[in-house]
Amino acid sequence: DADVTQTPRNRITKTGKRIMLECSQTKGHDRMYWYRQDPGLGLRLIYYSFDVKDINKGEISDGYSVSRQAQAKFSLSLESAIPNQTALYFCATSEVELPNTGELFFGEGSRLTVL
Amino acid sequence: AQTVTQSQPEMSVQEAETVTLSCTYDTSESNYYLFWYKQPPSRQMILVIRQEAYKQQNATENRFSVNFQKAAKSFSLKISDSQLGDTAMYFCAFTHNAGNMLTFGGGTRLMVKP
Repeated sequence: DADVTQTPRNRITKTGKRIMLECSQTKGHDRMYWYRQDPGLGLRLIYYSFDVKDINKGEISDGYSVSRQAQAKFSLSLESAIPNQTALYFCATSEVELPNTGELFFGEGSRLTVL
Repeated sequence: AQTVTQSQPEMSVQEAETVTLSCTYDTSESNYYLFWYKQPPSRQMILVIRQEAYKQQNATENRFSVNFQKAAKSFSLKISDSQLGDTAMYFCAFTHNAGNMLTFGGGTRLMVKP
């Protein structure tokens, strides 16, 4: 089984619908992240969480919200999806304890299409 | 703010040959980490190689090596003896002080031809 699991892997939805992308991890890491991938733009940070009580906005948080339900679970929500939120979304985790080289461990991605 | 630039959107190489992917970055920090991630068609992001800025020696991992030029803020990836399985998107990424806030470049799509 994958260490970082994302559901769903693919989703097509309509403009205005609420959608939730879920992420769970078995790595025991405290830090979790949501990134968005668009062609030519690489990956951009949406939200991150350093522990269950800590939630922070990233570079492109507008239109998104997150919930850290437990150390192992971090979900991303689009309250009212719009077409320009069509993208590949990645959840990632990282260690906090040293040695801490900044490496991220990624899920397999959730491809979201908003019609 | 840190930025990472990959100037080659697409590249191709013949199987068994060597290819170099370019990456430049901009930062005012002195201590930081650089990474190359591979994204094959399966979409999974896989760490290829990492470099600590305070280390002068270039990192190597089997057929993968980097040319880290700190003064020029350049971090290129060399793939030797290219294999068909190397076909993927490659992303250069940066973080400072192991803060884990990775900044990614736009990616280079590499095609290895038989």
